Amino acid sequence: RKEVEQDPGPFNVPEGATVAFNCTYSNSASQSFFWYRQDCRKEPKLLMSVYSSGNEDGRFTAQLNRASQYISLLIRDSKLSDSATYLCVVNGNRGSTLGRLYFGRGTQLTVWP
Amino acid sequence: GAVVSQHPSRVICKSGTSVKIECRSLDFQATTMFWYRQFPKQSLMLMATSNEGSKATYEQGVEKDKFLINHASLTLSTLTVTSAHPEDSSFYICSARLSGLAGEETQYFGPGTRLLVL
Repeated sequence: RKEVEQDPGPFNVPEGATVAFNCTYSNSASQSFFWYRQDCRKEPKLLMSVYSSGNEDGRFTAQLNRASQYISLLIRDSKLSDSATYLCVVNGNRGSTLGRLYFGRGTQLTVWP
Repeated sequence: GAVVSQHPSRVICKSGTSVKIECRSLDFQATTMFWYRQFPKQSLMLMATSNEGSKATYEQGVEKDKFLINHASLTLSTLTVTSAHPEDSSFYICSARLSGLAGEETQYFGPGTRLLVL
C-alpha cells in the first residue's frame, strides 16, 4: 500500500466553482501534513500546512481527520491561476526517516473561464 | 519563505558522462537536504537524504555509487550522476529542511534540474 493516496483527477471546473481534493495516508504515526502545489515543469511549492483543528487561508481550507487518516483541501471561488497539480504530503516521522516527506501522486486541477 | 537554489536548471549530456547538480539554501542553514527525482506524470520519489558532515542515506533501489551525494557545508549539497544513461533522464529536485522556533519543520524546494541524457 502506498504511503499517501490521492484522488487521481483530473478535475476540470469553471471559474468560481468550489472543488475538493481528498487524500489518505497509511502511517498512523505521521505528525505533519501539507498541501503543496506544483505547476507544470516546476518544483513543488508549499500551499499550506494542515492542522488537527482544520485551517483556512483565504479561499483554501484544509481539514485533517486523524481517526480516518484522511486529509482534504477545499478551494472556493476557483481562479484560472489555481490550475496546477496539488500534492498531498505527509511527514514520515518514524525512526531514521524523521523529516522525510511522502508525496501523493497529485491531483491535477484545470480551471476554465 | 526560505529560498533554495539549484544549478544548473537544465542539462543535456552524452551517455556515459557525469553530471553534477548543486543545491544551495540561500538564507538559512540546512543540516538536512533531500534529493528527489520525478518522471513525467509521476510523483516525487525520494532518492536520498543528505546530512551535513556524514554519509547520505539512500532509499531502497537507489545506487549510491551511481548517485554520489556530498553535503560539505550547511548550505550546499551536491548530487553527481555518474556515467549517466538515457534512463537517468528526469527532473531532479532538492529540498532543504528548515526547523522553526516552535519545532515545526518545513521543506523548501529548489527549482529543479532537468536532465536529458542522449
